Amino acid sequence: AQKVTQAQTEISVVEKEDVTLDCVYETRDTTYYLFWYKQPPSGELVFLIRRNSFDEQNEISGRYSWNFQKSTSSFNFTITASQVVDSAVYFCALSTGANSKLTFGKGITLSVRP
Amino acid sequence: GAVVSQHPSRVICKSGTSVKIECRSLDFQATTMFWYRQFPKQSLMLMATSNEGSKATYEQGVEKDKFLINHASLTLSTLTVTSAHPEDSSFYICSAPRGGRGHLLNTGELFFGEGSRLTVL
Repeated sequence: AQKVTQAQTEISVVEKEDVTLDCVYETRDTTYYLFWYKQPPSGELVFLIRRNSFDEQNEISGRYSWNFQKSTSSFNFTITASQVVDSAVYFCALSTGANSKLTFGKGITLSVRP
Repeated sequence: GAVVSQHPSRVICKSGTSVKIECRSLDFQATTMFWYRQFPKQSLMLMATSNEGSKATYEQGVEKDKFLINHASLTLSTLTVTSAHPEDSSFYICSAPRGGRGHLLNTGELFFGEGSRLTVL
């Protein structure tokens, strides 16, 4: 069985603060993919990143960065210098094996105040 | 632009009626599509896997007679909520992997539609 835990439920920061969203996953598979999606109030899911289990390199994309640590089964997401437009629900998700079914965490509601 | 499109984005219906939601892949063929359901302020739960040319695969606890899925072509999957009741009110969202037959090892990304918000009165 696979599981994604996002222990934080709601985070509120002031604009320009850095914020880290935690994600811990469980799977017995050695091959798997981890994802982060952003869901703004409009509802659509916006793809942010996909990382496979063989690539532990951290990634930076603009103000976004991801820290993948297999030793702790974590795939944390950091937003640097947060902006109001970053306010959304962020989901971490996991997919294993030969299919594209995703197991989602419960999501973290991020509120960035001006 | 969007690569997976859902229609309608919002629908309000009376209890007892049936509602059809369409999910289209816009510039690629999708032999597999996935239907998720999201209750307010909750996570997405996979309902079923839609397979072109064969029956859908439903997750445990999802009533296949209640949620009819038809994968009519390589670019279209439909979800029909039959005899809808207020407890069926939810946000329904589909996804499709681009490239390959749903195997993430040879696909690019998993794209999601814009979602369809169903309200049953």
